[in-house]
Amino acid sequence: DAKTTQPPSMDCAEGRAANLPCNHSTISGNEYVYWYRQIHSQGPQYIIHGLKNNETNEMASLIITEDRKSSTLILPHATLRDTAVYYCIVRVKTYFGNEKLTFGTGTRLTIIP
Amino acid sequence: DAGVIQSPRHEVTEMGQEVTLRCKPISGHDYLFWYRQTMMRGLELLIYFNNNVPIDDSGMPEDRFSAKMPNASFSTLKIQPSEPRDSAVYFCASSFVGQRFTDTQYFGPGTRLTVL
Repeated sequence: DAKTTQPPSMDCAEGRAANLPCNHSTISGNEYVYWYRQIHSQGPQYIIHGLKNNETNEMASLIITEDRKSSTLILPHATLRDTAVYYCIVRVKTYFGNEKLTFGTGTRLTIIP
Repeated sequence: DAGVIQSPRHEVTEMGQEVTLRCKPISGHDYLFWYRQTMMRGLELLIYFNNNVPIDDSGMPEDRFSAKMPNASFSTLKIQPSEPRDSAVYFCASSFVGQRFTDTQYFGPGTRLTVL
């Protein structure tokens, strides 16, 4: 799986959009970008994933650059409950044999009141 | 659905003792994962199962660790004998591939293990 690079920490004001970058310059054509987050003392939680098109769900938006070498997770209106460590993960998505997720160090996002 | 259930939530034991961690995946899920999280090593995958069969155990640190999944609704991770360096939070996760390949992994609350 391709390696990802994320800033170790970020702050964002409550109510503002939080934009979390991820660099994955060695991504292959069949690798997807996944985002999970881990709120203190809890298990990781899935947020969103995508291949090359931008994706949006009820939690966040994922913007992937045209060359797919980087992406940005956007939390449109951050709340204090969004304070967590955010993990960007790149992996192949197939029906068998590549199901595992490799977590890096992530970005510790702190929402400031 | 109750989500992934893990027990116990906290375990304190002495070095050399056997420790058994338990996990009940979400009903209908066909994949089960065991992870370990420490400050030093972060979150790492130990082993995962598909339809109760172990697929990849390359993350299991050594022979002291073993995992079983006797049926679709139950899995155990056993450490025998336990050592202080095994102290960590152990997470269980499950997922369902399905026709739409929605392979989101759902994590349990974790078991915090302390080996004295």
